[in-house]
Amino acid sequence: GAGVSQSPSNKVTEKGKDVELRCDPISGHTALYWYRQSLGQGLEFLIYFQGNSAPDKSGLPSDRFSAERTGGSVSTLTIQRTQQEDSAVYLCASSLSGHTDTRYYGYTFGSGTRLTVV
Amino acid sequence: AQRVTQPEKLLSVFKGAPVELKCNYSYSGSPELFWYVQYSRQRLQLLLRHISRESIKGFTADLNKGETSFHLKKPFAQEEDSAMYYCALLEMAGSTLGRLYFGRGTQLTVWP
Repeated sequence: GAGVSQSPSNKVTEKGKDVELRCDPISGHTALYWYRQSLGQGLEFLIYFQGNSAPDKSGLPSDRFSAERTGGSVSTLTIQRTQQEDSAVYLCASSLSGHTDTRYYGYTFGSGTRLTVV
Repeated sequence: AQRVTQPEKLLSVFKGAPVELKCNYSYSGSPELFWYVQYSRQRLQLLLRHISRESIKGFTADLNKGETSFHLKKPFAQEEDSAMYYCALLEMAGSTLGRLYFGRGTQLTVWP
């Protein structure tokens, strides 16, 4: 597609339920990132996929969070047993490669999924 | 360790006034720095890149290695510049190669 696509755009869920957030990166982009944007907290890194390498999961806040990327394209971020503190906007971004192209082009971000846990 | 610091959460100026959004960084090598902008109800987008030494929408940013700063400046602010601005640093080596580290952002409001 022309840009990074995320779905759903909004998700309201009850505390304790599991949620899945989807990201469809720009075709041909080998690097994919998930960030979380909370009010007053800026952008918090969650996880990074680069090609066929093992993902960098160092930003995941707890073992309730997991992500996968199938076929080097679409990625799904799963949050199990959601808590109210998980409420945030979850952003996905992609770039052509991990650093070489990012140097010139940065990341392209999706419009995010606003997650509200009630 | 915080690699990028934006000391101002909020910044307000009047239309036509100069504006400077501060960004300081901590990095041992040669930094690759960016400014991203998020207008109301729009997605986060790249504003400008240090490597390109460009001016976008009247904004410029100069890398000052001595002061480890990459402040964003515009001589005459416009109302449409009101947005959230994020400074970001690209990791060019090591285990976090390719990751962008973002500051906490500065919300700029330009009053008419």
